[in-house]
This record gives sequence, structure tokens and C-alpha cells, in this order.
Amino acid sequence: DSGVTQTPKHLITATGQRVTLRCSPRSGDLSVYWYQQSLDQGLQFLIQYYNGEERAKGNILERFSAQQFPDLHSELNLSSLELGDSALYFCASSVGNGGGQETQYFGPGTRLLVL
Amino acid sequence: GQNIDQPTEMTATEGAIVQINCTYQTSGFNGLFWYQQHAGEAPTFLSYNVLDGLEEKGRFSSFLSRSKGYSYLLLKELQMKDSASYLCAVTNTGGFKTIFGAGTRLFVKA
Repeated sequence: DSGVTQTPKHLITATGQRVTLRCSPRSGDLSVYWYQQSLDQGLQFLIQYYNGEERAKGNILERFSAQQFPDLHSELNLSSLELGDSALYFCASSVGNGGGQETQYFGPGTRLLVL
Repeated sequence: GQNIDQPTEMTATEGAIVQINCTYQTSGFNGLFWYQQHAGEAPTFLSYNVLDGLEEKGRFSSFLSRSKGYSYLLLKELQMKDSASYLCAVTNTGGFKTIFGAGTRLFVKA
């Protein structure tokens, strides 16, 4: 158990819908990262927040957005869902600002299925 | 840009040694991570290298050559539970992103 929690574990929804994924980092960690992992692809970095501020952005679609709240939990919002958005979404956390040398600890993931 | 290459799959025998290679291209290299990921589960940290050489941790070792853009993960005394994907990931100083390779799926057979 990494100490990172994600809810829900599974989510089934329809195309065009909007969902929110939630992540709580390890106690004391200030950075939260979001990744998408599809069956045929590796982990794709989406976005990172550090202490409430956006720190780095990857290939995140405009239909996706995220935020980190004062209590450091984070939410990833996915809207206008498409079939291709079906994937495992992982959240990870690290202690500092993610300056490249920090180990990231991953949550168990949310499996999203868009029908 | 950044690019990471790993073999897609490898098969090895229980009790044997296996080496999983990773080559990368990046500017401003700032470290390389290896993670283990069992199917459907979260990646878990195995090792971190930022200087050239070998880092040993029990049955697992990781090697880095920055001049060659090359790393390997060495797994000794293989066990069935080592069957998993092994992800190579690189960070650079130009940003705060960790870029993951597609992973190497290792099958350990009896």
C-alpha cells in the first residue's frame, strides 16, 4: 500500500458524459501527478500539481482538467467522454515539487470504461 | 524531444538471471527510474540512478551509462512473482515531467 488513495476504483459511463476522479496523496506529499494508461500504450503523463498550483503539463486533452485543493487532494475531470478515453487513470504523489529526482508513489488507479 | 525504448516482452526461467535494457534520448538528463507493474495494479518503485554505475538492491540491480543513454535492470534468482511489466522512466531538468517507456513484459516460467 503506497498511501495514495483513489476513488472510485471502477467507473462505467456513456459517451458524451462527464466524470470526476479523485486522488488523495500520501501524508506530507505536496505534488500530485495524473497519468493515463491504455491497453496498448504505456503510462502517459497528463498533469502535475504542486501545493495547489499547476506545475507541469503533458499531453492532456482540452476536454480534461484537473485541480488540487488546499487539503492537497486532487480531482481529474474528464468531459465529453469518448470510447478512446477508456483506460486506467493513475494518480501519483511525491514529497516535493517533482524536480526530477523524486520517487513517485502511485495509487491503485481508477479503471474507466466508456460505452 | 524525449524517447525511451525497451523490449516489448521477455521470457526467462525461474531461478535464472534476466537483464532488461532501456535506451533513452533526452536533453538535460536528471535521472532514470525503474518501476515494476503487475497487470492491473499500480507501478511500484524499484530503483533510481542519476550517476553512472551499478546500484544494487537485493535481487534487483540497475545500471546507468549517461554517455550512452543506456540503462538496464538486472533481476537475479527469478521467482514466479517477478512476472510483471518493468517500466523505465526518465526525468530531465527542462521540466518537471517523468516520461515512461512502454514497459517490458517479463514472463517467468517454471
